[in-house]
Amino acid sequence: DAEITQSPRHKITETGRQVTLACHQTWNHNNMFWYRQDLGHGLRLIHYSYGVQDTNKGEVSDGYSVSRSNTEDLPLTLESAASSQTSVYFCASSKGGQNTGELFFGEGSRLTVL
Amino acid sequence: SQQGEEDPQALSIQEGENATMNCSYKTSINNLQWYRQNSGRGLVHLILIRSNEREKHSGRLRVTLDTSKKSSSLLITASRAADTASYFCATGPNTNAGKSTFGDGTTLTVKP
Repeated sequence: DAEITQSPRHKITETGRQVTLACHQTWNHNNMFWYRQDLGHGLRLIHYSYGVQDTNKGEVSDGYSVSRSNTEDLPLTLESAASSQTSVYFCASSKGGQNTGELFFGEGSRLTVL
Repeated sequence: SQQGEEDPQALSIQEGENATMNCSYKTSINNLQWYRQNSGRGLVHLILIRSNEREKHSGRLRVTLDTSKKSSSLLITASRAADTASYFCATGPNTNAGKSTFGDGTTLTVKP
């Protein structure tokens, strides 16, 4: 079955370190998204991609970067982790094109920055 | 800023009762979606309603959309303990950009 997987599921790091969260989907979807979810709140969009070599900033992109070298993967990099980036990160994908709908989510990556 | 806002923030009911959650949004949309999130898990898509639709059903779920009031409601009938979760609405933009904006969610507790 097609799926979307995130790794690591849990990570603890120190302030100033570079961190990369991986996202891999086997849906063959064009669109991929990274969100963060802070306790008791909804999701805020960090970065998104509509296809290979395409990346776009979301509403909370400062301190984060992404790259899209193939259809399946959209890694999220925190250039220099800050305590404010402690959060749960979700990757999602959707078909793209005329379909602006259903998102398929990974199980999340819980990041703690000390 | 968040597009959708759910109401109430929290809802507690007994098994067998119906649960109604509301979502309001601010700008024009292409579609509105509802998602469920169980504790510690990712979001799962429940239902999508397009801007030209007024009501949609899926099993025990009923979604309505009023574009004139910029609001939607999710009704879960005959609730079960397994329905305990957070529910989020998400709006898809008119620009067909393929990205959705989420509200802060309604936390539903169904007591057995």
